[in-house]
Parts: sequence; C-alpha cells; structure tokens
Amino acid sequence: EVQLVESGGGLVRPGGSLRLSCAASGFTVSSNYMSWVRQAPGKGLEWVSVTYSGGSTYYADSVKGRFTISRDNSKNSLYLQMNTLRGEDTAVYYCARGPPDDFSAFDIWGQGTMVTVSS
Amino acid sequence: DVVMTQSPLSLPVTLGQPASISCRSSQSLVHSDGNTYLNWFQQRPGQSPRRLIYQVSNRDSGVPDRFSGSGSGTDFTLKISRVEAEDVGVYYCMEGTHWPLTFGGGTKVEIK
Repeated sequence: EVQLVESGGGLVRPGGSLRLSCAASGFTVSSNYMSWVRQAPGKGLEWVSVTYSGGSTYYADSVKGRFTISRDNSKNSLYLQMNTLRGEDTAVYYCARGPPDDFSAFDIWGQGTMVTVSS
Repeated sequence: DVVMTQSPLSLPVTLGQPASISCRSSQSLVHSDGNTYLNWFQQRPGQSPRRLIYQVSNRDSGVPDRFSGSGSGTDFTLKISRVEAEDVGVYYCMEGTHWPLTFGGGTKVEIK
C-alpha cells in the first residue's frame, strides 16, 4: 500500500528544536519530489518545503534559515529539522509526495503530526 | 508571491444541487513549459487533504465524475455537478507554477 506516516511532533518551547520524520511505503522517496505542508489550528494549508530527487531544496520565506528538509533513501524517509521555533509554527505538519512530472500535484499525503510551540 | 483568491469562503448547498468554487491567481499560471499547474484538494473534517484535480482539469482516479475542473490563465473553477453528503469539507486550490507554492484560502462546502 502506498502511504506516508509522519512522526515526531509534540510540545516544544519557543526557541526550541524538533525533528519530524515521514516514513514512506509502497514507493521510493528518492524517485519523487517530497514536500512538507502545514496547517495551523483552524487555518488553511501552507506549503513549507520541498526536496527534489536531485537533492535541491526550497523553502517558504517563513521558515527559511530555521528549517531543513532532508531524506534518507536507505530508510525511504523524509525529515524536517525545525530550529528556533516560534508560536506561529504551531500546526499540523503533513508530508506529501509530488509525482516526478509535477512536483506540486501532491497525490499522497500523510496523516499529519501536530507541533505545538508554547511556553 | 502569487496570491490565490478563492470564493466563496462558505458554500451552503442543497443535496443533489450543483456547486461551483472560483479560484483566481494574481499572476498567470501558465508555465514556461506550456503546462498550467493548478491543483484542487479536498479536506474532509478531521482528515488529511486529498487531491481531486491536477493541471486544471485532470481528475484523479477514484474521484467521482461529478467533480470537474476548468479554467485558464488566472481564472479557475471547481464544479460539483450534484452535491452529495460525502462532499462536505474544505476545498483548496493550489498553484505549482511559481515559487513559493501557494494555496488558496479554502472554501467550506456544507449541506443546507
């Protein structure tokens, strides 16, 4: 079965760090574009970051310099290292697959993992 | 950044009646490769988003044919020909032509 399963969310203090993981099954992460998308409580969707199969990475301005996307092809997994967290980073974080011919057409989504930044 | 504006914000619909959601972009979504990267996603209450339509009008497998996407340039529409109870949720358009990728604010479909 093709699926994505996120983990690693939790409660963290402002200024703290957290690392999210996304385990893929049924397809290979290395052959696809992989993104993180977040959704603040009661709000809409916000794209956060993408990593290309060639290794290139892109970030939303709101997280640039603080978040780092990466993947481990041997574990078929995607990661998001989040540093210097702020209250406005509180959200459900989803990983999503973008097909090789259209990186934005997220066809597979995980169930999400909640990140709460609060003192 | 491209701004994606959806309307209406809320759409009460009678079961069996049609529904239409508009999505307008602040810049043309025609890519230099000739494609238009405009997607539609459905998010049912308590669930993750699900892709319905990609590249304006391509419906995903498993998506009922009552859903259709159309438009060009900066003006796009998602139509539901006959709304069913399972269609309740929030619908988002998203462009993939420009950086950063941008979602519309969402349209909440509910049953009258």
